[in-house]
Amino acid sequence: GEEVAQTPKHLVRGEGQKAKLYCAPIKGHSYVFWYQQVLKNEFKFLISFQNENVFDETGMPKERFSAKCLPNSPCSLEIQATKLEDSAVYFCASSPTSGSNTGELFFGEGSRLTVL
Amino acid sequence: AQSVTQLDSHVSVSEGTPVLLRCNYSSSYSPSLFWYVQHPNKGLQLLLKYTSAATLVKGINGFEAEFKKSETSFHLTKPSAHMSDAAEYFCVVTPNSGYSTLTFGKGTMLLVSP
Repeated sequence: GEEVAQTPKHLVRGEGQKAKLYCAPIKGHSYVFWYQQVLKNEFKFLISFQNENVFDETGMPKERFSAKCLPNSPCSLEIQATKLEDSAVYFCASSPTSGSNTGELFFGEGSRLTVL
Repeated sequence: AQSVTQLDSHVSVSEGTPVLLRCNYSSSYSPSLFWYVQHPNKGLQLLLKYTSAATLVKGINGFEAEFKKSETSFHLTKPSAHMSDAAEYFCVVTPNSGYSTLTFGKGTMLLVSP
């Protein structure tokens, strides 16, 4: 597609429940990035993929968070046993290149996760 | 290491008056710099970018920014604000070679009054 599509737009989970977010990158883009926006304005990089391979996972919490990008499927970000501090807007972005310094990241509209 | 400081959390202007959103950066490497805009409940849209070419960069919707290395600044300007410019603006830095993730500023909310 022409836009990065994220679903769901809103997700509410009780503490300890699982949350799964999806992202369909722009067709032809090889790179997918996940960012977490907490406290409205703080963006934190989580993970990036080159096609189905993890490219950079230095921002991923070691426990509870996992992500996949499988062929012919939307990418996913899953949080096992959610905690209150996981409440945030999760943005997915895609790019034709890995070089965020030279190219543009195209962002989706985000998925707002609320953990109660 | 790199960081971005957006000096104002909120900027209020009247429609038709100039806009100035300030951004200072710190980077161990030659930087690439970006301004993104986020309208309510929307994703981020790239306004403009600097990647070591011309220091005065023109973007969409009449915005421009000037890279000033001596001042480590990349302020965003627009000669005349429009109501539709009301949004959150993020200054972003990354090294201009090799791979690196983006470092975001904390954002500046632009309010435009009639």
